[in-house]
Amino acid sequence: SYELTQPPSVSVSPGQTARITCSGDALPKQYAYWYQQKPGQAPVLVIYKDSERPSGIPERFSGSSSGTTVTLTISGVQAEDEADYYCQSADSSGTNWVFGGGTKLTVL
Amino acid sequence: QVTLKESGPALVKPTQTLTLTCTFSGFSLSTSGMRASWIRQPPGKALEWLARIDWDDDKFYSTSLKTRLTISKDTSKNQVVLTMTNMDPVDTATYYCARIGDGDYGMDVWGQGTTVTVSS
Repeated sequence: SYELTQPPSVSVSPGQTARITCSGDALPKQYAYWYQQKPGQAPVLVIYKDSERPSGIPERFSGSSSGTTVTLTISGVQAEDEADYYCQSADSSGTNWVFGGGTKLTVL
Repeated sequence: QVTLKESGPALVKPTQTLTLTCTFSGFSLSTSGMRASWIRQPPGKALEWLARIDWDDDKFYSTSLKTRLTISKDTSKNQVVLTMTNMDPVDTATYYCARIGDGDYGMDVWGQGTTVTVSS
């Protein structure tokens, strides 16, 4: 079955830039989405269609795509950005959606 | 304002069938382009996509759970229902429903989730 691969953890100091990657064979053909989840809360969409930002999401969140890897970049990380981040996409058919294993972002 | 709320039993026994209801407001699943999904998250683990239903009643399921899942909608009640058969303790999780807006906008609004424990 199709899988998306994320690093389990990323650590950055406040004000630095955090980059979280997500790899999958179908990513050149399928959009990727990123969700932020804080403890005890439902996920929140932070990036859609690889690089678009929903209204209300701070400009420091951005997304990019290159080949089989998509990247969530958080510029000028703040303490409140500490959370789990999940990428989501679909297999090559577009009908089987999957999430990556999640990345825990720690703000040192 | 779009809201979704999941409801269902907090505890089910192994082998039983789970039925979860997502009641929503602020949008209609009879509107072209609208879709809704179910997602679950076992304690301390990653999100897992389960199923999706579209405005035109197209349905899509996780390949690994396809044989156990059924998704349906009642547009008059603004509800989406998920049934999962043959429940097992590994199905213990928080179950979320989410709206997918018109176009490829992702799961843009989520419910608060409902916790289901599978135990005898």
